[in-house]
Amino acid sequence: GENVEQHPSTLSVQEGDSAVIKCTYSDSASNYFPWYKQELGKGPQLIIDIRSNVGEKKDQRIAVTLNKTAKHFSLHITETQPEDSAVYFCAASMSAGNKLTFGGGTRVLVKP
Amino acid sequence: GAVVSQHPSWVICKSGTSVKIECRSLDFQATTMFWYRQFPKQSLMLMATSNEGSKATYEQGVEKDKFLINHASLTLSTLTVTSAHPEDSSFYICSARDRIRNTEAFFGQGTRLTVV
Repeated sequence: GENVEQHPSTLSVQEGDSAVIKCTYSDSASNYFPWYKQELGKGPQLIIDIRSNVGEKKDQRIAVTLNKTAKHFSLHITETQPEDSAVYFCAASMSAGNKLTFGGGTRVLVKP
Repeated sequence: GAVVSQHPSWVICKSGTSVKIECRSLDFQATTMFWYRQFPKQSLMLMATSNEGSKATYEQGVEKDKFLINHASLTLSTLTVTSAHPEDSSFYICSARDRIRNTEAFFGQGTRLTVV
Protein backbone atom coordinates (compact mmCIF):
# COMPACT_ATOMS: atom_id res chain seq x y z
CA GLY A 1 0.00 0.00 0.00
CA GLU A 2 0.86 3.66 0.01
CA ASN A 3 3.43 5.03 2.46
CA VAL A 4 3.87 8.76 3.08
CA GLU A 5 6.88 10.19 4.88
CA GLN A 6 6.86 13.77 6.18
CA HIS A 7 9.70 15.99 7.37
CA PRO A 8 10.46 17.73 9.61
CA SER A 9 8.39 16.54 12.55
CA THR A 10 8.73 19.93 14.25
CA LEU A 11 9.47 23.33 12.79
CA SER A 12 10.01 26.58 14.63
CA VAL A 13 10.14 29.80 12.62
CA GLN A 14 10.18 33.49 13.37
CA GLU A 15 7.10 35.43 12.41
CA GLY A 16 7.43 36.69 8.86
CA ASP A 17 9.81 33.94 7.81
CA SER A 18 8.89 31.08 5.47
CA ALA A 19 8.14 27.50 6.45
CA VAL A 20 8.68 24.48 4.21
CA ILE A 21 7.42 20.97 4.84
CA LYS A 22 8.35 18.07 2.59
CA CYS A 23 6.66 14.75 1.92
CA THR A 24 7.51 11.70 -0.13
CA TYR A 25 5.16 8.94 -1.21
CA SER A 26 5.70 5.43 -2.47
CA ASP A 27 2.78 4.56 -4.75
CA SER A 28 3.14 5.95 -8.26
CA ALA A 29 -0.61 5.42 -8.73
CA SER A 30 -1.38 8.25 -6.27
CA ASN A 31 -2.72 11.31 -8.06
CA TYR A 32 -4.12 13.56 -5.36
CA PHE A 33 -2.07 15.28 -2.66
CA PRO A 34 -3.85 17.43 -0.06
CA TRP A 35 -2.43 19.32 2.88
CA TYR A 36 -4.30 19.70 6.15
CA LYS A 37 -3.95 21.98 9.14
CA GLN A 38 -5.07 20.58 12.47
CA GLU A 39 -5.53 22.61 15.60
CA LEU A 40 -5.69 21.01 19.01
CA GLY A 41 -8.83 18.98 19.55
CA LYS A 42 -10.22 19.64 16.09
CA GLY A 43 -10.58 17.75 12.86
CA PRO A 44 -8.17 18.39 9.98
CA GLN A 45 -8.87 21.37 7.77
CA LEU A 46 -7.93 21.26 4.09
CA ILE A 47 -5.68 24.20 3.25
CA ILE A 48 -4.54 23.34 -0.27
CA ASP A 49 -4.39 20.37 -2.58
CA ILE A 50 -2.73 19.44 -5.84
CA ARG A 51 -3.45 16.89 -8.50
CA SER A 52 -0.85 14.99 -10.48
CA ASN A 53 -1.40 16.92 -13.69
CA VAL A 54 -0.15 20.11 -12.05
CA GLY A 55 3.35 20.89 -10.81
CA GLU A 56 2.60 23.86 -8.61
CA LYS A 57 -0.37 25.58 -7.03
CA LYS A 58 -0.57 28.75 -5.00
CA ASP A 59 -3.21 30.29 -2.77
CA GLN A 60 -2.17 33.58 -1.18
CA ARG A 61 0.61 32.75 1.31
CA ILE A 62 0.44 29.02 0.72
CA ALA A 63 1.92 27.09 -2.18
CA VAL A 64 2.41 23.43 -2.95
CA THR A 65 4.82 21.85 -5.44
CA LEU A 66 4.71 18.33 -6.81
CA ASN A 67 7.42 16.27 -8.47
CA LYS A 68 5.76 13.09 -9.71
CA THR A 69 8.96 11.63 -11.06
CA ALA A 70 10.68 11.86 -7.71
CA LYS A 71 7.46 11.17 -5.81
CA HIS A 72 7.69 14.13 -3.51
CA PHE A 73 5.64 17.22 -2.78
CA SER A 74 6.16 20.22 -0.55
CA LEU A 75 4.17 22.87 1.29
CA HIS A 76 5.48 26.42 1.42
CA ILE A 77 4.05 29.02 3.78
CA THR A 78 5.38 32.53 3.32
CA GLU A 79 5.17 35.48 5.69
CA THR A 80 4.24 33.22 8.57
CA GLN A 81 1.97 34.52 11.31
CA PRO A 82 1.37 33.25 14.86
CA GLU A 83 -2.01 31.88 13.79
CA ASP A 84 -0.19 29.55 11.39
CA SER A 85 1.00 27.61 14.45
CA ALA A 86 -0.61 24.15 14.24
CA VAL A 87 0.10 20.61 13.12
CA TYR A 88 0.23 20.15 9.37
CA PHE A 89 -0.34 16.85 7.60
CA CYS A 90 0.33 15.88 4.02
CA ALA A 91 -1.59 13.02 2.47
CA ALA A 92 -1.80 11.01 -0.73
CA SER A 93 -4.67 9.32 -2.48
CA MET A 94 -5.63 7.76 -5.79
CA SER A 95 -8.08 10.59 -6.38
CA ALA A 96 -9.93 13.35 -4.59
CA GLY A 97 -12.61 11.85 -2.40
CA ASN A 98 -10.80 8.54 -2.00
CA LYS A 99 -9.20 7.18 1.15
CA LEU A 100 -6.15 9.07 2.33
CA THR A 101 -2.76 7.95 3.58
CA PHE A 102 -1.34 10.60 5.88
CA GLY A 103 2.20 11.63 6.63
CA GLY A 104 3.36 11.71 10.24
CA GLY A 105 2.65 15.40 10.70
CA THR A 106 4.71 18.54 11.32
CA ARG A 107 4.22 20.67 14.39
CA VAL A 108 4.80 24.27 13.32
CA LEU A 109 5.46 26.98 15.86
CA VAL A 110 5.58 30.59 14.69
CA LYS A 111 7.29 32.77 17.25
CA PRO A 112 6.18 36.41 17.44
CA GLY B 1 -21.79 24.04 2.21
CA ALA B 2 -20.10 20.62 2.61
CA VAL B 3 -20.50 20.30 6.36
CA VAL B 4 -19.82 17.05 8.16
CA SER B 5 -20.94 16.80 11.74
CA GLN B 6 -19.88 14.25 14.32
CA HIS B 7 -21.72 13.48 17.51
CA PRO B 8 -20.76 13.43 20.26
CA SER B 9 -17.71 15.71 20.30
CA TRP B 10 -16.40 13.88 23.31
CA VAL B 11 -17.49 10.89 25.37
CA ILE B 12 -16.29 9.09 28.46
CA CYS B 13 -17.33 5.50 28.97
CA LYS B 14 -16.52 2.66 31.33
CA SER B 15 -14.45 -0.34 30.28
CA GLY B 16 -16.59 -3.07 28.81
CA THR B 17 -19.35 -0.82 27.58
CA SER B 18 -20.12 0.17 23.99
CA VAL B 19 -20.24 3.64 22.55
CA LYS B 20 -21.70 4.87 19.28
CA ILE B 21 -20.30 7.76 17.25
CA GLU B 22 -22.36 9.39 14.49
CA CYS B 23 -21.09 11.03 11.34
CA ARG B 24 -23.58 13.09 9.33
CA SER B 25 -23.25 14.95 6.06
CA LEU B 26 -25.51 17.93 6.61
CA ASP B 27 -25.87 19.46 3.16
CA PHE B 28 -24.87 16.74 0.74
CA GLN B 29 -25.34 13.05 0.18
CA ALA B 30 -22.44 10.73 0.85
CA THR B 31 -22.31 7.22 -0.56
CA THR B 32 -18.87 6.80 0.99
CA MET B 33 -17.59 7.80 4.40
CA PHE B 34 -14.20 7.10 5.93
CA TRP B 35 -13.37 6.50 9.58
CA TYR B 36 -9.94 7.46 10.91
CA ARG B 37 -8.37 7.08 14.33
CA GLN B 38 -5.74 9.41 15.76
CA PHE B 39 -3.81 8.66 18.93
CA PRO B 40 -2.25 11.59 20.83
CA LYS B 41 0.53 13.32 18.92
CA GLN B 42 0.24 10.83 16.08
CA SER B 43 -1.11 10.89 12.57
CA LEU B 44 -4.51 9.86 11.28
CA MET B 45 -4.85 6.20 10.39
CA LEU B 46 -7.67 4.90 8.24
CA MET B 47 -9.78 2.33 10.03
CA ALA B 48 -12.44 1.55 7.47
CA THR B 49 -14.36 2.72 4.43
CA SER B 50 -18.11 2.84 4.88
CA ASN B 51 -20.36 2.43 1.85
CA GLU B 52 -24.06 3.19 1.96
CA GLY B 53 -26.13 0.04 1.84
CA SER B 54 -23.23 -2.39 1.97
CA LYS B 55 -20.66 -3.75 4.39
CA ALA B 56 -17.73 -1.61 5.40
CA THR B 57 -14.23 -2.37 4.19
CA TYR B 58 -11.78 -2.55 7.08
CA GLU B 59 -8.07 -1.84 6.94
CA GLN B 60 -5.64 -4.55 7.93
CA GLY B 61 -5.36 -4.94 11.67
CA VAL B 62 -8.71 -3.31 12.48
CA GLU B 63 -11.14 -5.69 14.20
CA LYS B 64 -14.46 -5.52 12.40
CA ASP B 65 -16.29 -7.19 15.26
CA LYS B 66 -15.01 -4.58 17.69
CA PHE B 67 -15.55 -1.52 15.51
CA LEU B 68 -19.00 -1.89 14.03
CA ILE B 69 -19.81 0.42 11.14
CA ASN B 70 -23.27 1.05 9.79
CA HIS B 71 -24.04 3.28 6.83
CA ALA B 72 -27.79 2.97 6.54
CA SER B 73 -28.51 6.22 4.72
CA LEU B 74 -26.82 8.65 2.34
CA THR B 75 -26.23 11.12 5.16
CA LEU B 76 -25.36 9.00 8.18
CA SER B 77 -22.67 6.54 9.15
CA THR B 78 -22.14 5.25 12.66
CA LEU B 79 -19.12 3.72 14.36
CA THR B 80 -19.78 1.61 17.44
CA VAL B 81 -16.85 0.71 19.64
CA THR B 82 -17.92 -2.48 21.39
CA SER B 83 -16.57 -3.68 24.73
CA ALA B 84 -14.37 -0.63 24.95
CA HIS B 85 -11.03 -0.77 26.75
CA PRO B 86 -8.67 2.03 27.79
CA GLU B 87 -6.45 1.33 24.77
CA ASP B 88 -9.41 2.30 22.55
CA SER B 89 -9.19 5.83 23.92
CA SER B 90 -8.46 7.98 20.90
CA PHE B 91 -9.69 10.73 18.60
CA TYR B 92 -12.06 9.29 16.00
CA ILE B 93 -12.59 11.34 12.85
CA CYS B 94 -14.87 10.72 9.91
CA SER B 95 -14.86 12.16 6.42
CA ALA B 96 -17.55 12.02 3.76
CA ARG B 97 -17.40 12.12 -0.01
CA ASP B 98 -20.04 14.04 -1.93
CA ARG B 99 -22.00 11.65 -4.11
CA ILE B 100 -22.26 14.10 -6.98
CA ARG B 101 -19.26 16.44 -6.92
CA ASN B 102 -15.78 15.17 -7.70
CA THR B 103 -14.14 16.90 -4.76
CA GLU B 104 -12.18 15.99 -1.71
CA ALA B 105 -13.87 14.20 1.17
CA PHE B 106 -14.91 16.58 3.95
CA PHE B 107 -13.86 15.95 7.54
CA GLY B 108 -15.92 16.11 10.68
CA GLN B 109 -14.68 17.79 13.82
CA GLY B 110 -13.76 14.53 15.51
CA THR B 111 -14.90 12.66 18.61
CA ARG B 112 -12.65 12.29 21.63
CA LEU B 113 -13.28 8.90 23.28
CA THR B 114 -11.93 8.25 26.75
CA VAL B 115 -12.42 4.79 28.25
CA VAL B 116 -11.97 4.60 32.02
